[in-house]
Amino acid sequence: EADIYQTPRYLVIGTGKKITLECSQTMGHDKMYWYQQDPGMELHLIHYSYGVNSTEKGDLSSESTVSRIRTEHFPLTLESARPSHTSQYLCASVPAGGPSDTQYFGPGTRLTVL
Amino acid sequence: RKEVEQDPGPFNVPEGATVAFNCTYSNSASQSFFWYRQDCRKEPKLLMSVYSSGNEDGRFTAQLNRASQYISLLIRDSKLSDSATYLCVVNPPRGSTLGRLYFGRGTQLTVWP
Repeated sequence: EADIYQTPRYLVIGTGKKITLECSQTMGHDKMYWYQQDPGMELHLIHYSYGVNSTEKGDLSSESTVSRIRTEHFPLTLESARPSHTSQYLCASVPAGGPSDTQYFGPGTRLTVL
Repeated sequence: RKEVEQDPGPFNVPEGATVAFNCTYSNSASQSFFWYRQDCRKEPKLLMSVYSSGNEDGRFTAQLNRASQYISLLIRDSKLSDSATYLCVVNPPRGSTLGRLYFGRGTQLTVWP
């Protein structure tokens, strides 16, 4: 199994704050993804990256941004949090050369914006 | 129309029961298919791939019907530990965005003693 970490695991924050959700993996995986999942609903891809300095937007319109300066890290930033951003955010990665079905997920960050 | 449609359930079955989940996908050119499992408040994990000829892994059997764009998962002799949400997942056609998956909203299963 891959080692993929997300911090914080839980975050409660007020409207208007800037937040960064961290995702890191220690296996040198090239492809990394951010998903948003509301309770009982499907995962929606919001950002992905194929490697350093490569980032793309996913399906779900998101006010978040990402960066990929190092292979290991793929942080997601919300410049001004709103209650509509309350959700679970899941990070995933795929080994270099591996098929996309072998996505390994981090434990997720549960974000609540008051 | 959603890429992947699943009956959300919930399915509540006794231990030892056989239960089947179905899902449909919209893009007939989709390349590959999977079932993931997600425990409550946990991350999804790959359960098994789904092959055209059908495949089995212990108590779990997956089937694919390309003509009907339909995927199924059969669980035999259900265990308490099978309680989870089962996500139907589809890989889009070659040529579209590489390395991405489409997830269904999941079917919730509860196995009771």
